[in-house]
Amino acid sequence: DTAVSQTPKYLVTQMGNDKSIKCEQNLGHDTMYWYKQDSKKFLKIMFSYNNKELIINETVPNRFSPKSPDKAHLNLHINSLELGDSAVYFCASSQDTGGGGEQYFGPGTRLTVT
Amino acid sequence: LAKTTQPISMDSYEGQEVNITCSHNNIATNDYITWYQQFPSQGPRFIIQGYKTKVTNEVASLFIPADRKSSTLSLPRVSLSDTAVYYCLVGLDNYGQNFVFGPGTRLSVLP
Repeated sequence: DTAVSQTPKYLVTQMGNDKSIKCEQNLGHDTMYWYKQDSKKFLKIMFSYNNKELIINETVPNRFSPKSPDKAHLNLHINSLELGDSAVYFCASSQDTGGGGEQYFGPGTRLTVT
Repeated sequence: LAKTTQPISMDSYEGQEVNITCSHNNIATNDYITWYQQFPSQGPRFIIQGYKTKVTNEVASLFIPADRKSSTLSLPRVSLSDTAVYYCLVGLDNYGQNFVFGPGTRLSVLP
């Protein structure tokens, strides 16, 4: 069984479009995260949700919005896509909310904006 | 924010022990030190975590000196499959700070 899954794995779209990336975890964890890994391979957190509450909200453009229908899902919606949004987006989950918890990452979604 | 510094890359040969050191001079009292491994086209995978002294699991050891301003990940007898990027992450408390992985160390294991 896949612990953290993301769909789609690849997403190619044009500037200005709106897209969503879905994430699901079957580990029973309380916290889920979204990370962005850019072309230089820097991995930076964007959001995290704990029990459907946003607890870390990085200084990302408000075109990005996380949506969590329940604690097993954290979807990422992106409005008005820009070229600079091209990156690999990783979803992750952990039992703890802080640095004391191991995070389990999904396989990533490679987003290409043309 | 506890910034980390690691070597950009390292080379090793199969069967050798590899030590990767991470500097985190402004680590906070509540911060844990965590190491992740990432293969191409995959998400990072947890390797080991510690707070002080030494931690060992079936994969690696983590050495943390008393001042906690650095840490060393030790991989015993590496194989070709250990070729990956290794990230040192200094985790934070629950309120409002960043999880910043840093550029990581690209380890190449040669035959």
